[in-house]
Order: sequence, then structure tokens, then C-alpha cells
Amino acid sequence: DARVTQTPRDKVTEMGQEVTMRCQPILGHNTVFWYRQTMMQGLELLAYFRNRAPLDDSGMPKDRFSAEMPDATLATLKIQPSEPRDSAVYFCASGRTSGAGGETQYFGPGTRLLVL
Amino acid sequence: GNSVTQMEGPVTLSEEAFLTINCTYTATGYPSLFWYVQYPGEGLQLLLKATKADDKGSNKGFEATYRKETTSFHLEKGSVQVSDSAVYFCALLNSGGYQKVTFGTGTKLQVIP
Repeated sequence: DARVTQTPRDKVTEMGQEVTMRCQPILGHNTVFWYRQTMMQGLELLAYFRNRAPLDDSGMPKDRFSAEMPDATLATLKIQPSEPRDSAVYFCASGRTSGAGGETQYFGPGTRLLVL
Repeated sequence: GNSVTQMEGPVTLSEEAFLTINCTYTATGYPSLFWYVQYPGEGLQLLLKATKADDKGSNKGFEATYRKETTSFHLEKGSVQVSDSAVYFCALLNSGGYQKVTFGTGTKLQVIP
């Protein structure tokens, strides 16, 4: 049963520290998404990759956030420096484009981040 | 642009009650429509989907029909269980090469025994 994995599951850090979140997409998937979920804003798309190339990061604060895919099995989301307002659950999702429509996204369990 | 509007929650039902969660959308072209479910402490997972008008998606007793004339994709279940308590997200994916999904705000369902 293939799944998206994310590490760490929980992270508590102090304001100003760097935070790195990692995601392993499902083998064979060619799209990766990063989302942020908060009570106030709901689910927000931060970044989207296809075939490891960033296609959309318009939802991401550019001054402190960065997203990369160093290889097909690893996606990273970094926050530097972190701020209390970054506290949220960060989800990674992967999928496979087919052009036929109806492509499903498979979500990881999330990283719960608390910035003090 | 694309948008998804779903009914505000929380929705509280007794076990075995009938469930409807309304979802309407705005999109260009012919989007695919989805319902995702999020159980406490977990990520979203696909519940059902429909890729063209009049298609009915179904899974685990849940159903939703793609109504292009009313731009709706309402989620229904005839008899809910306590284990159905979760947050339900309606979503759309536009046709074409860009795979960005537009999610609704989510509707929390609580089923009480």
C-alpha cells in the first residue's frame, strides 16, 4: 500500500529558527504539492511541482519559504527564519498526471509545526 | 477563476440519519469534481470523484452526482455512522495540463450515537 511519507510528524521550534520539512512522494508519481492548513485560512496551496520542476509557488511567502525537489523521491519545504504565524499543519501530496482528467492527489499525514 | 463553495459546518447528526453536504462550483471548461475526507490527525484522502457531467461518484455508501446545469456536486449518504465523523472537502480540478486543485473550505461532520 503505497503512501506519501512526511517527516517530522511534529516540530516545535523557536521564532527565528530554520525549519525543514521532508516529503517522499509515492513512487512513480510525477506531481508534488505542498499545502498549509490552519483553522483560519483552511487549506492553502503553497507550491506545486511537476517532473521535479516548480510550476507554481505563488502561494508561498518568498522571503522566508523555499521549496525544492532535489530528486524524484524527495521534496523539501524550508522556512527561514520561522515566525509564530507559520504555525500550522503542512501537507505534502503527490499524484500522476495523465491528461485524462480526474487525477487524484494522495496526501501525506502532515507535519504539525508550532513556532514559539 | 475557479472556486468551490460548500456549506458551513459543523453538521451534527444522529447515527443512521441522512446526510447532505452541499457543494457548488465555478469553473471554466469541464472540470473534474472530488470529495475528499479528512479524519482527525490525518491528511486528506479521496472519497469519490466524477469526471464529467451526470457522472455519479460513489464509495463507502457516499454518493455525489456531477450536475453541470446547477454547477453542483452535493455529497449524500443514506445512513451515517459514528465512524463517518470527519471533515469533508469538495474540490475541483480543471481540465488541461495544470493540475492545481481548488478546495472548498471543508465541512465538519459529527455523528453522535
